[in-house]
Amino acid sequence: GENVEQHPSTLSVQEGDSAVIKCTYSDSASNYFPWYKQELGKRPQLIIDIRSNVGEKKDQRIAVTLNKTAKHFSLHITETQPEDSAVYFCAASNPGNQFYFGTGTSLTVIP
Amino acid sequence: ETGVTQSPTHLIKTRGQQVTLRCSSQSGHNTVSWYQQALGQGPQFIFQYYREEENGRGNFPPRFSGLQFPNYSSELNVNALELDDSALYLCASSQDSFTDTQYFGPGTRLTVL
Repeated sequence: GENVEQHPSTLSVQEGDSAVIKCTYSDSASNYFPWYKQELGKRPQLIIDIRSNVGEKKDQRIAVTLNKTAKHFSLHITETQPEDSAVYFCAASNPGNQFYFGTGTSLTVIP
Repeated sequence: ETGVTQSPTHLIKTRGQQVTLRCSSQSGHNTVSWYQQALGQGPQFIFQYYREEENGRGNFPPRFSGLQFPNYSSELNVNALELDDSALYLCASSQDSFTDTQYFGPGTRLTVL
């Protein structure tokens, strides 16, 4: 089955700096890569996603890049704000209708 | 918030018992997926239902089973509960597949004593 690894497990940045979270996956058939934000005690919420036919996608301060050859994808958050503090999960799904989350990154933005 | 609801919010069971968790998907969403999230970990995919048929499953034993109904509601059933089953159980609905945006419910916190 798929194995999704996520790094780092914790990340602290100063407000206004950028944050980068990286994930690797093992199943070359995986074709959809979403990122979720989960605040303490709340449900995961989709913040951005990318499909395997696209190399990069951007939505305001958030961007995701995908390298299919190397089987890794990354989340980039620019101009971080305190409200960006949360746990972020990457995920991968394959055409076999299986869905795998990474282990999560706890991001703290220091005011 | 999303239109996905779950019940109950919290549940306490003892080892060996059976439990049924419920989820109400957004109207028009044909796919529901269930996840187990242990404390401090990422959600683990249990299975997915599409139009009342299971069409994807993660690495969970057969004592985890489910049902999806035509009215956009679904159930997760767990038999012979074990202590390690203690976790937050999340359901998520999407239009037709994983590549459509998944909307998560608030979860059911299950404690097995």
